Amino acid sequence: DIQLTQSPSFLSASVGDRVTITCRASQGISSSLAWYQQKPGKAPKLLIYGASTLRSGVPSRFSGSGSGTEFTLAISSLQPEDFATYYCQQYKSYPISFGQGTRLEIK
Amino acid sequence: EVQVVESGGGLVQPGGSLRLSCAASGFTFSNSAMTWVRQAPGEGLEWVASIERDGNKQYYVDSVKGRFTISRDNARNSLFLQMNSLTAEDTAVYYCAKVTGGPIDPWGQGTLVIVSS
Repeated sequence: DIQLTQSPSFLSASVGDRVTITCRASQGISSSLAWYQQKPGKAPKLLIYGASTLRSGVPSRFSGSGSGTEFTLAISSLQPEDFATYYCQQYKSYPISFGQGTRLEIK
Repeated sequence: EVQVVESGGGLVQPGGSLRLSCAASGFTFSNSAMTWVRQAPGEGLEWVASIERDGNKQYYVDSVKGRFTISRDNARNSLFLQMNSLTAEDTAVYYCAKVTGGPIDPWGQGTLVIVSS
């Protein structure tokens, strides 16, 4: 089974900051990685798939990079609506797995 | 609009059963793999089960194998999750979602399952 480890688990930042979240896979998954945003009480929303492809409608301040075992989600200039929890997910093989999440809060 | 809507959650006693349903609309259901993901209170996301578009293959997380069954009715654009032998560890919000070539999108609003006496 493939384990995903996100870092950090908690991130405090200010509006306008640039932040990055890392997701490491326990084995190579090529580019079979997605990123999701979840706000309290709401369902997750897909942001990025294929490690770096932005889902239609997602602001361009979000970007993804990486392949193999190390991946990054970057938010270039934080907006108030970006404060949420972010999850990575691998879909290279079953069982599908998610990272433990990164909670992004306002400093 | 592509949409999935879950139903069937509720309070059930340990050892009991529950059947979740998911109604899909806005896309060709029979062309899409589907999945269930759950989230225990205050916890992260856990994939539960997936089913291929024709229903011929199902995949499960180890913790539910032999207890949960994912199925679908392509004629009625519906996805199901039959949950048996429920324990407190199954308490969670259960999300139905469309699998779009790997990524999960979109997700339903979720249905809450509480296993408690």
